[in-house]
Amino acid sequence: KAGVTQTPRYLIKTRGQQVTLSCSPISGHRSVSWYQQTPGQGLQFLFEYFSETQRNKGNFPGRFSGRQFSNSRSEMNVSTLELGDSALYLCASSLGQGALANYGYTFGSGTRLTVV
Amino acid sequence: QKEVEQNSGPLSVPEGAIASLNCTYSDRGSQSFFWYRQYSGKSPELIMFIYSNGDKEDGRFTAQLNKASQYVSLLIRDSQPSDSATYLCASLSGGSYIPTFGRGTSLIVHP
Repeated sequence: KAGVTQTPRYLIKTRGQQVTLSCSPISGHRSVSWYQQTPGQGLQFLFEYFSETQRNKGNFPGRFSGRQFSNSRSEMNVSTLELGDSALYLCASSLGQGALANYGYTFGSGTRLTVV
Repeated sequence: QKEVEQNSGPLSVPEGAIASLNCTYSDRGSQSFFWYRQYSGKSPELIMFIYSNGDKEDGRFTAQLNKASQYVSLLIRDSQPSDSATYLCASLSGGSYIPTFGRGTSLIVHP
């Protein structure tokens, strides 16, 4: 059974550019949540998608956006990149909405974004 | 503001000892709790889920929940160097789908 697949694994971008990250959840999982992880702030919730609809959103600026496709794959986009956006971006997959459906998330390997 | 607090550590224990990791939470409505293990450079991996007061055991791991005192702990018996990682505690409030994560405790098990 394939796990959660995130692409790309690493990205280096320049300030002001935009970036798109991709996440394919475990087959059959319908919920995808996105997190930003930094040493200073830990895991910060970005948004959650379930059945192609954003169901929950964290406290991030509008530069951060996402979407989910009919096959449950999800993308997140960050526009006008800032140095502070450098982080590990993690995608979490679950069977139903949120973290409880299968008693917790399965995380992907993450995308390490560096903004220079 | 829901908060989950963990001592950042590092917590250093000798091989074979019991490692005790603690977590407190602020939201009295929290009903479910998770422990994730994150190796350096890797993503978090779910190791325990608990929602009832008391202890839950899974192999060398025991999660303990005390809702009256608002704390959750994770005990690792017979600690091994391979247990060296950061352990993240997360809580989930009733009616919510999004857990609140602590910043994690770094555990070092030395031979």
